[in-house]
Amino acid sequence: AQSVAQPEDQVNVAEGNPLTVKCTYSASGNPYLFWYVQYPNRGLQFLLKYITGDNLVKGSYGFEAEFNKSQTSFHLKKPSALVSDSALYFCAVRDPAGGFKTIFGAGTRLFVKA
Amino acid sequence: DGGITQSPKYLFRKEGQNVTLSCEQNLNHDAMYWYRQDPGQGLRLIYYSQIVNDFQKGDIAEGYSVSREKKESFPLTVTSAQKNPTAFYLCASSIDRPSSYNEQFFGPGTRLTVL
Repeated sequence: AQSVAQPEDQVNVAEGNPLTVKCTYSASGNPYLFWYVQYPNRGLQFLLKYITGDNLVKGSYGFEAEFNKSQTSFHLKKPSALVSDSALYFCAVRDPAGGFKTIFGAGTRLFVKA
Repeated sequence: DGGITQSPKYLFRKEGQNVTLSCEQNLNHDAMYWYRQDPGQGLRLIYYSQIVNDFQKGDIAEGYSVSREKKESFPLTVTSAQKNPTAFYLCASSIDRPSSYNEQFFGPGTRLTVL
């Protein structure tokens, strides 16, 4: 069965510094991996996804993520954080062999301090 | 504007009441989903639908019901059998089969509170 872990409940970073939000997964075969962001009292917005090919995926708002198959990780990164990046971030995995289900992590709250 | 709308934004339910949450999309998406979000637990799938007049239970379907009479609409009813319904409910859609690699588009959510 597929699963997702986001080991940090909260990440704090100063504005202008690089940020990393961690995600590890468990799935059979070649899973699809996603990152979403949620602002307070709002729905989730899609940031980026990994399907196949280049391990470094670029997405919206300057975010990128690196897929590492040997470590089963898909960490979200940004070279220079903005205060407006403060939000709740969700990693998600879908196993194409597992049917319809997308499994979401518990979320990591990112605080960017000015 | 294309997107997903959910109404109402806030909903209060008394004990023993059924309530219905609305979800409408104009993205021409085939697949639609309902999730429940509780603090620290991520999103849990309640129901999903691949096509009109077809829907499947997710992980926590007990106490909930849905219908899919139109492609654009996927309402969720929270019945009195759901013992702990206070949560944030999110509706989502995607362009085709749920098992594809396409991302989901989410509505703004409905916050349900039991009085």
